[in-house]
Order: sequence, then structure tokens, then C-alpha cells
Amino acid sequence: GENVEQHPSTLSVQEGDSAVIKCTYSDSASNYFPWYKQELGKGPQLIIDIRSNVGEKKDQRIAVTLNKTAKHFSLHITETQPEDSAVYFCAALTDSWGKFQFGAGTQVVVTP
Amino acid sequence: ETGVTQTPRHLVMGMTNKKSLKCEQHLGHNAMYWYKQSAKKPLELMFVYSLEERVENNSVPSRFSPECPNSSHLFLHLHTLQPEDSALYLCASSQDGTGVGYTFGSGTRLTVV
Repeated sequence: GENVEQHPSTLSVQEGDSAVIKCTYSDSASNYFPWYKQELGKGPQLIIDIRSNVGEKKDQRIAVTLNKTAKHFSLHITETQPEDSAVYFCAALTDSWGKFQFGAGTQVVVTP
Repeated sequence: ETGVTQTPRHLVMGMTNKKSLKCEQHLGHNAMYWYKQSAKKPLELMFVYSLEERVENNSVPSRFSPECPNSSHLFLHLHTLQPEDSALYLCASSQDGTGVGYTFGSGTRLTVV
């Protein structure tokens, strides 16, 4: 089955710096890769996603890149702000009926 | 109400109790899911329902029993749980199986004592 590895598990950055989180997946049939942000006491919220026919997608300070050959995708957050502090999860969809495999999460802490 | 709503937000139960978690979606989605979220571990998919039919049961112990009476409601019935079942239980819904509109609820924090 699909296996998604996520690194790092924790990431501390200074406000204004960039943050990068990387995920690798094992199933070459994976075709959809969302990123979720989870704040304390809340469920995961979709922040950006990418499909396998696209190499890069950007939404303001957030971007996602996909390398299908290497089977990895990354989340880039630029000009980080304290409100970016949260746990971020990557996921890969390979099967029918929305059965995602999730990474273990990255705790991002943005210090002023 | 919009989105995916889960109740209760917190639940403490003894190992001999029976309780139920409720999930309701107001998005017109056709699929609903139960996930278990434990500390430092990836989200674990438990059950998948599509148009009220169960399409996935990921080897979940029988002490967890799902119910989907209609496409807007999903329940997780709990009985004789173990302390290791303590976790955040998340409900999600999606338009279909392609991942479009995948939306999570805020979860129920379950503690088994």
C-alpha cells in the first residue's frame, strides 16, 4: 500500500524566514497531493493541493512543488508569520473513494 | 451551520460504557469518513462510506461500530473501549472519491479511563 513519509517532524523558523516541508510517497499511481494545516483544537484545514499533471502551484505565500520522477512533493511558506504556527500534514491519494495516506505531520513554530 | 460538525467536542468514558460520536455535513457531499488521530502518528483511516454504503473498513476492532443513516450523518458507536483508544476522532466528507472538497470536522477528543 501507499506510504507517505514527512520531514522534518518539527521546524522552528524566525518570523519573515521561509519554511519548507518535504514528503515522499511510494505509489507511482498517486495522483492528488493536498496539504493540511491543523491548529490547536481544530480539525485539519486544506491550504493548498496539487494534481499529478502539474509541477508547481502557488497561492500567495504558500507554494507546493511536485517531482513525480522522484516521488516527492514539498510545501514552501515564504515570509512566515506567527499565525503560520501549526501542524502541517501532507497526503497522497491513490485509491478510489478518497482514501488518503497522510504523513505524520510537521510542527511549525514561527518565533517573532 | 456549514461545513462538517462533530459532537461532542470532548468525551470521557469508562471501559464498560457505551457512547456514540456524531458527525454531520452540510456540504452536499456523497462520501464520509472516520479517522483516528493519535499523537506523533499519521492520521489513520477507519471507515469510509459512499452514498450510505460502507466501502472501507481498515481492520478496525469491532468495539468501534459505524453507522451512516443518510448522506449527511455519520455515527461512530463505541463500547468496551481500551485506554489505548484515547485519541482525537475526526470525521471528514468529500464530494466524491477524487478528493475534491475534502473537509474535516474539528474532531472529538476521546479519553478512555
